[in-house]
Amino acid sequence: GAVVSQHPSWVICKSGTSVKIECRSLDFQATTMFWYRQFPKQSLMLMATSNEGSKATYEQGVEKDKFLINHASLTLSTLTVTSAHPEDSSFYICSAVPQVWNTGELFFGEGSRLTVL
Amino acid sequence: SQKIEQNSEALNIQEGKTATLTCNYTNYSPAYLQWYRQDPGRGPVFLLLIRENEKEKRKERLKVTFDTTLKQSLFHITASQPADSATYLCALSPGGASKIIFGSGTRLSIRP
Repeated sequence: GAVVSQHPSWVICKSGTSVKIECRSLDFQATTMFWYRQFPKQSLMLMATSNEGSKATYEQGVEKDKFLINHASLTLSTLTVTSAHPEDSSFYICSAVPQVWNTGELFFGEGSRLTVL
Repeated sequence: SQKIEQNSEALNIQEGKTATLTCNYTNYSPAYLQWYRQDPGRGPVFLLLIRENEKEKRKERLKVTFDTTLKQSLFHITASQPADSATYLCALSPGGASKIIFGSGTRLSIRP
């Protein structure tokens, strides 16, 4: 099956710093990638849809200046949490959609656990 | 408002029994509905997709039904095993939108 790699798998940072999370599709090209956030014992909340070569589409309530998304190539999207605060601590998961998306299936990365001190 | 609800936050059943999980949605008209499995600290893994014109779909011990009148999908695991213990998420694509949104999830525990 299609493989999506996320890096880092976990990160601890100080309040006020920025953290970048990478999402790569390893064996397919992804025109679209989705970024989700998941708090403990809660479901995945869609943050934004990232399209290669264009601006990301953010869900209501998600600050685009705080969560910067860049999708510069068909295999890489990055999420940067700027000026992180403890309330940004969460599990961030990306998913990638193959260019030919006729199954509707999403391929997920393993997630990145962010802890902001 | 639009909602996807999985009625049981947690379900605990005996090994060998059939586990049935429910997913209800309101104010959506999805062309298809999906089920995913998520283990702690991991990303979700796709299990099954069922389209609006399909009543039922099976894959090994898994069975999914889709009732667009009731706006409900049922997910069954037959002959359940402790290894089936995980959180199961239903997901759908809102009509006309190229994105997938998820239900609240059901934590399934299969006791030996």
